[in-house]
Formats: sequence, structure tokens, C-alpha cells
Amino acid sequence: DTGVSQDPRHKITKRGQNVTFRCDPISEHNRLYWYRQTLGQGPEFLTYFQNEAQLEKSRLLSDRFSAERPKGSFSTLEIQRTEQGDSAMYLCASSLLRGAGETQYFGPGTRLLVL
Amino acid sequence: SQQGEEDPQALSIQEGENATMNCSYKTSINNLQWYRQNSGRGLVHLILIRSNEREKHSGRLRVTLDTSKKSSSLLITASRAADTASYFCATDDRETSGSRLTFGEGTQLTVNP
Repeated sequence: DTGVSQDPRHKITKRGQNVTFRCDPISEHNRLYWYRQTLGQGPEFLTYFQNEAQLEKSRLLSDRFSAERPKGSFSTLEIQRTEQGDSAMYLCASSLLRGAGETQYFGPGTRLLVL
Repeated sequence: SQQGEEDPQALSIQEGENATMNCSYKTSINNLQWYRQNSGRGLVHLILIRSNEREKHSGRLRVTLDTSKKSSSLLITASRAADTASYFCATDDRETSGSRLTFGEGTQLTVNP
């Protein structure tokens, strides 16, 4: 197992365009999280899935953002009509729910630059 | 909201010295985790300490947790140049569901060879 993977690693787009990111979690992990990190800050929670169900969304996740996790495996995060303020690193993490103290394993992130 | 606050924001030491970073938080937690991030990369999990634990060790790392003061510290002993990175504490808060993590702004550690 190679850990959490994300694709693409970098994305440059023009304002107003749509972008989609993919995350492949560790295979047996049932929870998947999306975070956003801007320069010099810690990651901020966006949303999470338990299996295929999206159980929580942050207020940071505007209606231009949508995330899916069909079949409880990989997940996609789509941003519609991108704005310059969307420029950030988008991080995916996965974990195995088994009581208190689950460790989240992070992917390498997708760095988005909106021009 | 970012509830974890790391202190100091930046730390520069010589190789071989110990590095101590502190983290404060505001809510009741299930556990607290420390992560390392090299520039422009993803986060690497270092250690998890549960709310009923006071101290934990992993190799050159020592983490303490004081729930009465809502604070934690990360000690890296005998630092190496490869330890240069940003270090974040993250809390799994009891008030939130799903074990989502709340991160601080991080401490930038520079270890000079």
C-alpha cells in the first residue's frame, strides 16, 4: 500500500473555470477528509465522508464546491467558477474508524493557482 | 476556526540541540495529534496522544498533554538538519463529529547544520 494519493499535484487555471481534484485513500480506510491550506496557515477542514456518505460540510465549503465519494472508495472535489481566493493547497486524508484516537493519513496535496 | 495555537511561530536551533514547541487549545478534546510538513508537501503524522494520557514517546519525540491547562508540548531531542519543517498540532474535538481535526498555525523549525 502506497498511502493516500492525490491527482493532480498542481493545477493552474483561469478565474471562472471549473476544476476537479481526485483523492485515492488507503484501501481499507472508511473515512475520507478534505482540508484546505493557505500559505503560512494550518489546514482547515472542508468536509468528510464515512464510506460513501458525506456526513459533514464546513461553512468554508460554498455552493461552488462539491465533493463525492462514489462506492466509498476514491473521492473527487470539484470547484465551479473558480475565484482567485480559491488558490490554496487542497489536502485529502483518510482514516480507519475504530473508536477513539484514529490517525488521519494525509496525501501530498493538490496545489491550485487561480489566475 | 483555528483553535490550536503553536508557540513559538518560528524556532531556529543548531543541530544536536533540543527543540520544544507548544500548543494551546480551547475546547474539550478526544485526542491531540502532531504533524510535520516539509515545504510544499503533505502532512506526516508524528504522534497521537489521547485525552487520558499525559506523556508519550516515539523515538526522538516526546509529547506531553495537560488537559487542565489545555496545552501540549512537542520535544524533539538531538535535532538534525532533516528535522527542518513546519510542525502542527491538531485537536480532535469532543464537540465535533467525525474526528475532524482543528489545526493550529504551526511552528516553523529550522535546524542549522
